[in-house]
Amino acid sequence: GAGVSQSPSNKVTEKGKDVELRCDPISGHTALYWYRQSLGQGLEFLIYFQGNSAPDKSGLPSDRFSAERTGGSVSTLTIQRTQQEDSAVYLCASSFRTSGYEQYFGPGTRLTVT
Amino acid sequence: AQTVTQSQPEMSVQEAETVTLSCTYDTSENNYYLFWYKQPPSRQMILVIRQEAYKQQNATENRFSVNFQKAAKSFSLKISDSQLGDTAMYFCAFIVTSGSRLTFGEGTQLTVNP
Repeated sequence: GAGVSQSPSNKVTEKGKDVELRCDPISGHTALYWYRQSLGQGLEFLIYFQGNSAPDKSGLPSDRFSAERTGGSVSTLTIQRTQQEDSAVYLCASSFRTSGYEQYFGPGTRLTVT
Repeated sequence: AQTVTQSQPEMSVQEAETVTLSCTYDTSENNYYLFWYKQPPSRQMILVIRQEAYKQQNATENRFSVNFQKAAKSFSLKISDSQLGDTAMYFCAFIVTSGSRLTFGEGTQLTVNP
């Protein structure tokens, strides 16, 4: 079946602009995660959605970052007033929480803030 | 705090040979899952192998196997009969069953030479 998809693949934006990144999880997966990967580094957790529960936003680095998940499926990560330090690859993952806990990742969105 | 340490930033191996990537982790939890993910230049994060902490038997997936030492909090990955397509960044990660996020190491860049 289809894997996790993300759009856009690449995004270049000017400092101070807002950006929206989209994630379509694997159909039927109840959990959705956003991570950030800065150049040459591991992944940093941002936010987690599980079903209808309140999201775990503890990894969001500032109040410029927000995310929502509509209808338990598609998620959008929004970064307001982008800064150069926001430049990174943003990865989305989904999983069946009740089965193994492994997360399946999308191809990511490379964000470049100029 | 939960941490993952990969002490080998880079490794190389000749095609058809065997290589072992090291990983240690730290958590006070008793119930968790461990993973190795592979990230080729395409940026797609691919699940390689999974280990449940409550299982003593080491996981095996074709040419990939792990050496899980729970008391030592060690989780190494062995790749047998290395292939050129194994060239990638490899990340060790774990998730506690009571938590919501994967904790990743910094990664090991593996190069398989012809």
